[in-house]
Amino acid sequence: SQTIHQWPATLVQPVGSPLSLECTVEGTSNPNLYWYRQAAGRGLQLLFYSVGIGQISSEVPQNLSASRPQDRQFILSSKKLLLSDSGFYLCAWSSGLNYEQYFGPGTRLTVT
Amino acid sequence: AQSVSQHNHHVILSEAASLELGCNYSYGGTVNLFWYVQYPGQHLQLLLKYFSGDPLVKGIKGFEAEFIKSKFSFNLRKPSVQWSDTAEYFCAVKRFSGGYNKLIFGAGTRLAVHP
Repeated sequence: SQTIHQWPATLVQPVGSPLSLECTVEGTSNPNLYWYRQAAGRGLQLLFYSVGIGQISSEVPQNLSASRPQDRQFILSSKKLLLSDSGFYLCAWSSGLNYEQYFGPGTRLTVT
Repeated sequence: AQSVSQHNHHVILSEAASLELGCNYSYGGTVNLFWYVQYPGQHLQLLLKYFSGDPLVKGIKGFEAEFIKSKFSFNLRKPSVQWSDTAEYFCAVKRFSGGYNKLIFGAGTRLAVHP
């Protein structure tokens, strides 16, 4: 069966520091991968999606970037965190762009 | 702006009470509708979905939702809640945009069920 992992589970970082959040999927090949963010009191906002290695599409302009160095690995990064980057980050996968998405456990990021 | 609205951010119920969580969306045309749930310490998971056909959809754990096209609504219901239903519930709409189907989420509703 397929599983999706995210780490770390929680992270506290100072403003201006770099960020790297990792997401990996097991049990499937060539998944579509997604990064979402949930800010306090708001819905999940799609940040990036990827249909293959090295292929990243950004949904909103922001301080973050994403990379997909391997088929089942999706990384969310920032060179310099802002306070507004605080939130709950969820990674998800689907077997196609039009199929149901499955979510990871999430990373709670607090920027201080 | 196109959006998904969940009317209640926090709901507190006693066990055996009935539940209805509101969800409205502002998109026209064909949409697919979902309710996701996140139990404490667990992954966000699909509760139920509507693509077409019978507008009354049955999901897991006794939940159901009714799609009312004229009201742009997809409310979630359960006749008798249990303590284990304590969770956060998200309504989502799948909308075709930018060359693919995009999931737009509501802000979520935190449900606390007291024994």
